[in-house]
Amino acid sequence: QSALTQPASVSGSPGQSITISCTGTSSDVGGYNYVSWYRQYPGKAPKLMIHDVSNRPSGVSNRFSGSKSGNTASLTISGLQAEDEADYYCSSYTSSSTLIFGGGTKLAVL
Amino acid sequence: QVQLQESGPGLVKPSETLSLTCTVSGYSISSGYYWGWIRQPPGKGLEWIGSIYHSGGTYYNPSLKSRVTISVDTSKNQFSLKLNSVTAADTAVFYCARVGPWYFDYWGQGTLVTVSS
Repeated sequence: QSALTQPASVSGSPGQSITISCTGTSSDVGGYNYVSWYRQYPGKAPKLMIHDVSNRPSGVSNRFSGSKSGNTASLTISGLQAEDEADYYCSSYTSSSTLIFGGGTKLAVL
Repeated sequence: QVQLQESGPGLVKPSETLSLTCTVSGYSISSGYYWGWIRQPPGKGLEWIGSIYHSGGTYYNPSLKSRVTISVDTSKNQFSLKLNSVTAADTAVFYCARVGPWYFDYWGQGTLVTVSS
């Protein structure tokens, strides 16, 4: 199974909004509403930010939102803050009953 | 609060078997959920290795399936990973996580396993 496609890097200024895309196929992202997003700081374990395309776990800021259109899912971070600088990964369930990650996106807050 | 902790050797020789255990606290594995392993080579992205249900049903990454075994011991509230015939390409930080069942909601801190002679 091939990794989902994410941009290698995105950047934004404090207060701005940014969007990270996650492109798959009809056998994964497009076929199920089972996309999740994770934030990872250097040397730390990933943290779940969004599950089932657009659901925020308890305790996650409402500045984080998720959506999906066709085979592409998106994570939007509004009101960008310095603490948002991290790596972000998407993940999806697949038609083979497996799970797959995206290659990761490095977010820089300028 | 659910907590997970990986344990096992930090150094494995090429061609040998990598064995890790994840100890879960704050939740009984036998109560439900899938439990999974994810790895991350140094400087690279995340890769799902496989998941196991509390009753023992397993799902594996097709690219690793021939070399991977995940098992569960509900009496110890642990689940384990075995990856055989390892090479340097298997050097990674290995994470265990609770799988809900298609997203990872609780993660261990991760453990670095280096494959080297």
